[in-house]
Amino acid sequence: GAGVSQSPSNKVTEKGKDVELRCDPISGHTALYWYRQSLGQGLEFLIYFQGNSAPDKSGLPSDRFSAERTGGSVSTLTIQRTQQEDSAVYLCASSPRGRGLYGYTFGSGTRLTVV
Amino acid sequence: AQSVTQLGSHVSVSEGALVLLRCNYSSSVPPYLFWYVQYPNQGLQLLLKYTSAATLVKGINGFEAEFKKSETSFHLTKPSAHMSDAAEYFCAVSEQGGSEKLVFGKGTKLTVNP
Repeated sequence: GAGVSQSPSNKVTEKGKDVELRCDPISGHTALYWYRQSLGQGLEFLIYFQGNSAPDKSGLPSDRFSAERTGGSVSTLTIQRTQQEDSAVYLCASSPRGRGLYGYTFGSGTRLTVV
Repeated sequence: AQSVTQLGSHVSVSEGALVLLRCNYSSSVPPYLFWYVQYPNQGLQLLLKYTSAATLVKGINGFEAEFKKSETSFHLTKPSAHMSDAAEYFCAVSEQGGSEKLVFGKGTKLTVNP
């Protein structure tokens, strides 16, 4: 596609429910990243994919968080048993290759609200 | 590990005035440096990047930044602010040949007053 697409754009869920957030990267971009943006906290790295594998998942805050990528394209970030502190904007980005040299192209994010 | 410090979470300037947003980085190896802009309810857009070529980097919308190794700084400037520049600006660093991820500062919110 022309840009990085994320869905849904907004999600309100009850505490304890599971949620899935989807990211469609730019076609041909092999690297894909998930970040979390909380108010006043900047962007927090969650996980990095190169193709379908995740060489760096050091930012996932707990085992309630998981992510996968299939076909070297679409990625899904899953949060199980959501907590109020999970409320944030979840941003996905892609890059032609897994090197910082190229910078990233970001999607518009999914705003998650846990009530 | 690399890190970024943005001095000033809020900066306010008058329309037509100089914009200066400060960024200092820490990196154990030569860095790549980036500035991103985020308009309300939108994703981040790349303004400019330093990748070890020219130390003065020009970006979109009239912004530029200068890499100063001795000061470990990469400050963002624009000679004359426009109302449309009001947004949040993020500085980011990644390590050449190191980890693939970008590490971001906490952002500076720029307000432009008429």
